[in-house]
Amino acid sequence: AAGVIQSPRHLIKEKRETATLKCYPIPRHDTVYWYQQGPGQDPQFLISFYEKMQSDKGSIPDRFSAQQFSDYHSELNMSSLELGDSALYFCASSTPGIRGYTFGSGTRLTVV
Amino acid sequence: DAKTTQPNSMESNEEEPVHLPCNHSTISGTDYIHWYRQLPSQGPEYVIHGLTSNVNNRMASLAIAEDRKSSTLILHRATLRDAAVYYCIRGGEIGTSYGKLTFGQGTILTVHP
Repeated sequence: AAGVIQSPRHLIKEKRETATLKCYPIPRHDTVYWYQQGPGQDPQFLISFYEKMQSDKGSIPDRFSAQQFSDYHSELNMSSLELGDSALYFCASSTPGIRGYTFGSGTRLTVV
Repeated sequence: DAKTTQPNSMESNEEEPVHLPCNHSTISGTDYIHWYRQLPSQGPEYVIHGLTSNVNNRMASLAIAEDRKSSTLILHRATLRDAAVYYCIRGGEIGTSYGKLTFGQGTILTVHP
């Protein structure tokens, strides 16, 4: 069965650079969620999209932006990267009525 | 504010049942109880969810107190592959536009051979 695909799996950037993380939800899933998990931390909700519109917003820095495209994939854009942005970034997808959210394997971002 | 309380850690032996408790005393009438688990360096994995009635699936059972202020995730026969961080999350109906998951401190389950 198709899963949530995230790319890239690993990313190394320098401070003040930009990064773009991509998420491809399970086919026919119309909702995407982004989470950030710092070292030793629990996942923190960043932002979500439902039918290509932002549906909820969590503790996402102003330096970050995201969108969901017509094919339902989503991209998280991160600018002016800081060392503290180093984390695992997970994407999850769902659709009304199904059981649970399906998470991707994550993108590990390292800012040096 | 995750608004659920779980023990920091629990241990079990392989082949034995495991009961993972969760307190959610301020749960609202429309909040579901979701359980996810996360293995190291992997994304969280859905385990089970419920609203009022006890639920069973191939992975686990969820026992929900009558007053809904607490619940227990039951792994009937723990295996080494069940060693993970287990998160109890209260949240909206799955898939709704307000259905984000707010992770709190989960329970680290260690399974001994």
